Order: sequence, then C-alpha cells, then structure tokens
Amino acid sequence: GDSVTQTEGPVTLSEGTSLTVNCSYETKQYPTLFWYVQYPGEGPQLLFKVPKANEKGSNRGFEATYNKEATSFHLQKASVQESDSAVYYCALRPSSNTNKVVFGTGTRLQVLP
Amino acid sequence: EAAVTQSPRNKVAVTGGKVTLSCNQTNNHNNMYWYRQDTGHGLRLIHYSYGAGSTEKGDIPDGYKASRPSQENFSLILELATPSQTSVYFCASGDGDNYEQYFGPGTRLTVL
Repeated sequence: GDSVTQTEGPVTLSEGTSLTVNCSYETKQYPTLFWYVQYPGEGPQLLFKVPKANEKGSNRGFEATYNKEATSFHLQKASVQESDSAVYYCALRPSSNTNKVVFGTGTRLQVLP
Repeated sequence: EAAVTQSPRNKVAVTGGKVTLSCNQTNNHNNMYWYRQDTGHGLRLIHYSYGAGSTEKGDIPDGYKASRPSQENFSLILELATPSQTSVYFCASGDGDNYEQYFGPGTRLTVL
C-alpha cells in the first residue's frame, strides 16, 4: 500500500544550525508530495507541495526535492530559528484519482536559542 | 477569519456514551476529512466526504460514523465511546483541484 516514513523525533537543534528531516515514500502510483507544519495548539498547515518528480518545492527557507529514483522527499533548511519549533509532516497524495492524503508520523523539531 | 472551525474544542465523555464532534468550513470545498492524531501514529484518516450527502471510510473507520448534511458541515459520531478513542481529532477541507487540505484547530477528546 501507500506509505510514508520519516525521521523519528524529537530533533533538537541550536539556532543557526542546519536541518534535515528524512522522508521516504512507497507507492506504485504517481504521487504529489507535501510537507505540512503544525505549530503548538494549531492544526497542520501546508508548508509546500511538489506535484512533479525531480522538482523542488520551497517556502519560508525550507526546501525539498521530489526524488523519484530514490523515492525520497527530504526537508532541509540551512539555518533554523527558534520560531521553526513545530511538528513537520511528510505526506503524499498517491494519484490524481484520489483525494486522500497519507501522512507520515510527524517529526517534532525543537530549536534552542 | 478562520475558514475551518471545530466544536467543541475540548470534550470529556464517559465510556459507552455518545459523542458528536462538529466541523464547519467556509472555504466552499467539496472534500472534507476527519483525522485523529496520536503520538507515534501521526495523522490517521477516519472518514471523508466528497460532498453533501456522501461519506467514505478512511483507514481507521471502526467505531466511528460520519455525517455530511451540507457543503459546510461534517460531523464525526462516536455512538459508544471507548477509552481507546481518547485523542485529538482534526477536521480538514480540501480543494480537489489544488490538493491542499486546510485544517481546523482540533478537538481534544478524553473518554473516561
């Protein structure tokens, strides 16, 4: 079936250091890939999406490349801020024939000042 | 102004009781979803809907029913609540063309 596996948290970093959250996916279809972010006390919100293989998505300094060969979609940021502390979810929509989205288990990031 | 709202925001229920969680969206989206969020499991889909009058089973529908009486409203119903249904529940609406989902603020449910 369709699934997403991502870095287990929590991840603790100091301000100004770089972030990588690994995400791997499994599907036999042609997915759209997403990163969602959830701040404390709120619902998840879209960070960015990438509908096509080998393209990059980015927002707020975060970026990820849809690597079809490696079935990966790792989230990166060069320099994290305390305000980036949140839970990050990798997700996929398996194909254009469904409106369902499969989410990973989430990675909690804590950035220390 | 919040486009997806949920009520109640917090709920304490007794085992065997009936619980109804409500969701309202002003996005005019056809698709609506109910998820539960648990540590170690992330977001898991319970039920979803393609429009008024339709409901579909998600990945973990057992013990839950859903109702979509209108474009704006989508309810999750626990007929006989159990402690294992203690969780945070999120409602979302989605644009079928854009694929993005817009989430509500969540409802924390505790079943004693």
